[in-house]
Amino acid sequence: EAEVAQSPRYKITEKSQAVAFWCDPISGHATLYWYRQILGQGPELLVQFQDESVVDDSQLPKDRFSAERLKGVDSTLKIQPAELGDSAMYLCASSLFVALGDNEQFFGPGTRLTVL
Amino acid sequence: DQQVKQNSPSLSVQEGRISILNCDYTNSMFDYFLWYKKYPAEGPTFLISISSIKDKNEDGRFTVFLNKSAKHLSLHIVPSQPGDSAVYFCAARITGTASKLTFGTGTRLQVTL
Repeated sequence: EAEVAQSPRYKITEKSQAVAFWCDPISGHATLYWYRQILGQGPELLVQFQDESVVDDSQLPKDRFSAERLKGVDSTLKIQPAELGDSAMYLCASSLFVALGDNEQFFGPGTRLTVL
Repeated sequence: DQQVKQNSPSLSVQEGRISILNCDYTNSMFDYFLWYKKYPAEGPTFLISISSIKDKNEDGRFTVFLNKSAKHLSLHIVPSQPGDSAVYFCAARITGTASKLTFGTGTRLQVTL
């Protein structure tokens, strides 16, 4: 069964350090999403890609966060420098692009980030 | 501003009984609603959805009801099973080319023997 892959599964870092997360969506899925889930809250969209283009990054803290999907397949989310408040689960999801239709999002297992 | 709210952080139900999880929303532009289930150390998995043109959608043991006038939806699980124990997230979106999902805070369901 096709799955969204994410690595690493767990990351511990010190504040002010740089961290990077990787996501490989389900083959053929044009749309890729990065979410952040803080403990006790629901996932919050950080950035959405359609192929290699950013569709929505309105909630991405652009002073420290960056995301890219250079070839329209896998994606990297970077934080530099990391802050204590960045401790969270970072989830990647992908979906087929269906304009005005249902596009169920499939989630990866997530990367749990702890900033010390 | 929390546009999708799940006011019950946890729910405990006996095996075989009905589980009812509730969700309220404030944005009347939302026209598609989804429920996701999340086990620890895993990503959310899609469970069931409903379009705003319907008031009920059923899939096996899972039924979602939508009351647009009250801006309220609920997920019914009948009968509840121990394997249903998980965190359930309600999500909503406005259909369009950038179909962003807005999630609720989740309800932790515990199905006891």
